[in-house]
Amino acid sequence: EDKVVQSPLSLVVHEGDTVTLNCSYEVTNFRSLLWYKQEKKAPTFLFMLTSSGIEKKSGRLSSILDKKELFSILNITATQTGDSAVYLCAVVVNAGNMLTFGGGTRLMVKP
Amino acid sequence: GAVVSQHPSWVICKSGTSVKIECRSLDFQATTMFWYRQFPKQSLMLMATSNEGSKATYEQGVEKDKFLINHASLTLSTLTVTSAHPEDSSFYICSGRGGAYEQYFGPGTRLTVT
Repeated sequence: EDKVVQSPLSLVVHEGDTVTLNCSYEVTNFRSLLWYKQEKKAPTFLFMLTSSGIEKKSGRLSSILDKKELFSILNITATQTGDSAVYLCAVVVNAGNMLTFGGGTRLMVKP
Repeated sequence: GAVVSQHPSWVICKSGTSVKIECRSLDFQATTMFWYRQFPKQSLMLMATSNEGSKATYEQGVEKDKFLINHASLTLSTLTVTSAHPEDSSFYICSGRGGAYEQYFGPGTRLTVT
């Protein structure tokens, strides 16, 4: 059974801190890994990673994939209260493009 | 990015009635759409994969007679919750497949069954 595990479950930090969110996976036919940010409604797309070792960056957010060790990390530097959300990691495992989601990490950034 | 809309955003219905939720891709054609269900403080659970012009593929444990999915065009998929019960109350999210692996999510529909 395909499995995606995120850690920590929940995280509380202060503005300006740097956080690292983890996503590990055990799947039979890995194609890509995606990160989403979910606030009150549906998830919004952050990154898609398909190759190991290549960092994707968008402003204060960055992510990297390790296909040998089967994990990805999402880094957020200089956190702001607007970063408070649930961060979801999902893996695409077949050509049908179905996503298997991890349980999410709930991040709260305090002023 | 591509835009997906859902209608309604929130619906309250009585037990035993049926509810239809629409999912539209506004600026791209989605040959494949996905329906997810999300309980409070939990992650998204895939319910079914919907391909335009063909029957939906349901995940294990999802009753296809209860959650009717129709994908009649490249921009519209509908989910009908038949004979809804309070345990069907949830947040339902659709997504449209765009590009190689990306999925674009709709804003979700909150269903409350009383």
